[in-house]
Amino acid sequence: AQKVTQAQTEISVVEKEDVTLDCVYETRDTTYYLFWYKQPPSGELVFLIRRNSFDEQNEISGRYSWNFQKSTSSFNFTITASQVVDSAVYFCALSEADRGSTLGRLYFGRGTQLTVWP
Amino acid sequence: KAGVTQTPRYLIKTRGQQVTLSCSPISGHRSVSWYQQTPGQGLQFLFEYFSETQRNKGNFPGRFSGRQFSNSRSEMNVSTLELGDSALYLCASSLGQGAGWSEAFFGQGTRLTVV
Repeated sequence: AQKVTQAQTEISVVEKEDVTLDCVYETRDTTYYLFWYKQPPSGELVFLIRRNSFDEQNEISGRYSWNFQKSTSSFNFTITASQVVDSAVYFCALSEADRGSTLGRLYFGRGTQLTVWP
Repeated sequence: KAGVTQTPRYLIKTRGQQVTLSCSPISGHRSVSWYQQTPGQGLQFLFEYFSETQRNKGNFPGRFSGRQFSNSRSEMNVSTLELGDSALYLCASSLGQGAGWSEAFFGQGTRLTVV
């Protein structure tokens, strides 16, 4: 079963629109970490945020904000006033910290291709 | 400071051959993880190394192997290549704990094509 689900395969918006990327995860661990990474056309994954399972505070960093809700197992990412440079594939990822055999590995969603048009 | 360097960037190999990919982490980083990215399976964990020891291994056949050297540089090897091994192979570097624990820095990857 997929541990991380990003239901939106592609999203297109026009510059200055707000956009929310959805992420739903599944784990039995009580301690886990959630991540968002951005992959521009150059290929490398760029770290955006890490959240641990005990910290449900929403976070804002400039135009980016994240909404973590354990009750719905979701960790959504919102870009406010999107810009053309935000165009990329965005990945949500989970790592589990309770179980020894899977410690340290990231489980990635399938990614959401965001295209921002001028 | 220099980022994560993966070499080569592009590679074309024939079925049955073997290949070695290299990853130089950020200076001072001791943890290196490898991920395979394909359109069909997405991003999948291969293995993680810390101080020359493999700490974790993903669900890949034994044809996939890796190692880490004393300077933290890492190599991964794929023997008896199959068409399905065509992928972007990404290396992630992090300070002590692996990519599953803290911010990781990824290289641009090696694009392997098996023909």
